[in-house]
Amino acid sequence: TAGITQAPTSQILAAGRSMTLRCTQDMRHNAMYWYRQDLGLGLRLIHYSNTAGTTGKGEVPDGYSVSRANTDDFPLTLASAVPSQTSVYFCASSAQGFNEQFFGPGTRLTVL
Amino acid sequence: TQLLEQSPQFLSIQEGENLTVYCNSSSVFSSLQWYRQEPGEGPVLLVTVVTGGEVKKLKRLTFQFGDARKDSSLHITAAQPGDTGLYLCAGEGSARQLTFGSGTQLTVLP
Repeated sequence: TAGITQAPTSQILAAGRSMTLRCTQDMRHNAMYWYRQDLGLGLRLIHYSNTAGTTGKGEVPDGYSVSRANTDDFPLTLASAVPSQTSVYFCASSAQGFNEQFFGPGTRLTVL
Repeated sequence: TQLLEQSPQFLSIQEGENLTVYCNSSSVFSSLQWYRQEPGEGPVLLVTVVTGGEVKKLKRLTFQFGDARKDSSLHITAAQPGDTGLYLCAGEGSARQLTFGSGTQLTVLP
């Protein structure tokens, strides 16, 4: 089983450009999450979705948007990237009623 | 906002030594999880503790949840190079979302 896949693995992006980070899970988990990981700050929640069709804001949502059209996919969009969005982005999912989160391999994004 | 502080931030020890990593907060959590992350990968769950005072063992790793459910510790006995990695604690709050600590980077030297 693939679990969670993320694409691309890494990306260099010019400031002001838009980009969508893709996340797909094959575990039929209800909840999905996007985190960013920065040195010394741990993982910070950007957006989450408890079920298909619903989304919510996490700790650091500004500059990011998400959608959840179906159970499997949870893309993260940066409408106009800024250098402070340089980070490693992780997508995660969890089954309803369980708090264990399963993480993807991450996308390393550099905004110049 | 619930905050989790981990200490130490970095730890480098020799193979065979023991170590303890701490995770502290002023907030109460309904459960606390410990994850391990290796370079280039996402975090992987090691254990979840739910009850105040709970102790769980995973081979040479011992996890404890504080009585007041505000803090936790991870103790590794006779560390091995394979234990090297980033250890993250994460507390589950009222909204069933996780708040992560900043992590402890452990290096075990052979």
